Amino acid sequence: DAMVIQNPRYQVTQFGKPVTLSCSQTLNHNVMYWYQQKSSQAPKLLFHYYDKDFNNEADTPDNFQSRRPNTSFCFLDIRSPGLGDAAMYLCATSRDRTSYEQYFGPGTRLTVT
Amino acid sequence: AQSVTQLGSHVSVSEGALVLLRCNYSSSVPPYLFWYVQYPNQGLQLLLKYTSAATLVKGINGFEAEFKKSETSFHLTKPSAHMSDAAEYFCAVSDPGSSNTGKLIFGQGTTLQVKP
Repeated sequence: DAMVIQNPRYQVTQFGKPVTLSCSQTLNHNVMYWYQQKSSQAPKLLFHYYDKDFNNEADTPDNFQSRRPNTSFCFLDIRSPGLGDAAMYLCATSRDRTSYEQYFGPGTRLTVT
Repeated sequence: AQSVTQLGSHVSVSEGALVLLRCNYSSSVPPYLFWYVQYPNQGLQLLLKYTSAATLVKGINGFEAEFKKSETSFHLTKPSAHMSDAAEYFCAVSDPGSSNTGKLIFGQGTTLQVKP
C-alpha cells in the first residue's frame, strides 16, 4: 500500500543534542509537510517542500531545519533541542499545491531529557 | 484571515447515540473542507472531504458531513457511536491565501468520548 512512513516512532534526545527525524513516502507526491503537535493542540505547520522548493513558516524557529534529498524522503533536523521542543512531529504529503488533501504519517514522538 | 472554529473541545456520547461534532469556518469564499481523526499516538487519518461537489459528504467509518454555505458550517455526524470512535477529531479548511502551497488551517480539535 502507498503510504507515509516516519522513523523512528519514538525518539529520546538530550537537551541541546542534535536530532534528525525521518519521513518517507511511496505516494510519489510533490509536496511534503512537517508539523509539530503538542498535547491537546492542533498540528502546527513548520515548513513544507514543493518538489525541491523549501517554504518556511514565518514563526518557525531557526532551530528547526529540513532537507529533502529526493522525492521520497524528507528530514527534520532540530539543531539544539530544548525542553519546549518535546512534541509529536507529523509528516504529511500532498499530490500538489492545489489538491489540499494531505496524507499523514504515524508521527514521531520526541522526548527531550 | 481564514479561521476554523470547533465548538466544544470535549464531546461525550453514549454508545449507540448520535455523534455531532461542530465546525464553522470564516471564509466568504467556499473553501475545501476536511475532517481528520487522530487516535492516541497516531497520525491524522482523513475521514472525509468537501471539494465543491455534493454538499452532503460521506466518509469512512459511517461518518458524514454537510456543507452549509449559509451557515459557514461543516458539521460531522454519525448516527450511532461505537466505542472505537473515541478519538480526537480535527476540522480543517484550505487556506485561501495559499493557492500555491496547499496549506490547511486546522481547528483546535474535539475529543470524542464514547461511554458504554
